[in-house]
Amino acid sequence: DAMVIQNPRYQVTQFGKPVTLSCSQTLNHNVMYWYQQKSSQAPKLLFHYYDKDFNNEADTPDNFQSRRPNTSFCFLDIRSPGLGDAAMYLCATFRGGEWGTDTQYFGPGTRLTVL
Amino acid sequence: SQQGEEDPQALSIQEGENATMNCSYKTSINNLQWYRQNSGRGLVHLILIRSNEREKHSGRLRVTLDTSKKSSSLLITASRAADTASYFCATDAFVIVGNTPLVFGKGTRLSVIA
Repeated sequence: DAMVIQNPRYQVTQFGKPVTLSCSQTLNHNVMYWYQQKSSQAPKLLFHYYDKDFNNEADTPDNFQSRRPNTSFCFLDIRSPGLGDAAMYLCATFRGGEWGTDTQYFGPGTRLTVL
Repeated sequence: SQQGEEDPQALSIQEGENATMNCSYKTSINNLQWYRQNSGRGLVHLILIRSNEREKHSGRLRVTLDTSKKSSSLLITASRAADTASYFCATDAFVIVGNTPLVFGKGTRLSVIA
């Protein structure tokens, strides 16, 4: 059974048109992460939530925002997508509290295309 | 930054051969993980090795960790065409409080030729 679900799997948007990507988890994990992965590059952390506490990476553009209305769901909002934002967006969860003994669980990703 | 660096960047082998990929990192860690990613797909967790462990096995996978050299290796034995993918190492920093997002290396692209 899928534990980290991302919707949609493929998203096409127009330059400058806001888009929202969705992630949900059935693991009841405390921490949820959003990563951006451009073609042939390593995943790059954008931000994460520990419960309701939001942690933004220093170099994440303001164009990227996130919401976590409850434990299960986390959203990535791109307010004005540019061509350079085309990428795979990965959501991951982490139980928290057992540092060094657990792993992050990744969703299948949403591939964003910007026209 | 604490980034893993995989070596080699690309590796091409024949089916049945063993594939070895290496990863180096910069700072103290809690654990090191290896992930696999097929082209255009999400990350799949392969194996986690803790900082106090030196070697771990999982099926055809063997991972070693040398914290003194800040390096790890992933060995895939008896490779199959289906092993063709990119392989990433990821580390989380040792911190006393707070949470530790993974920092990924650039990956090794493995091609297994049938």
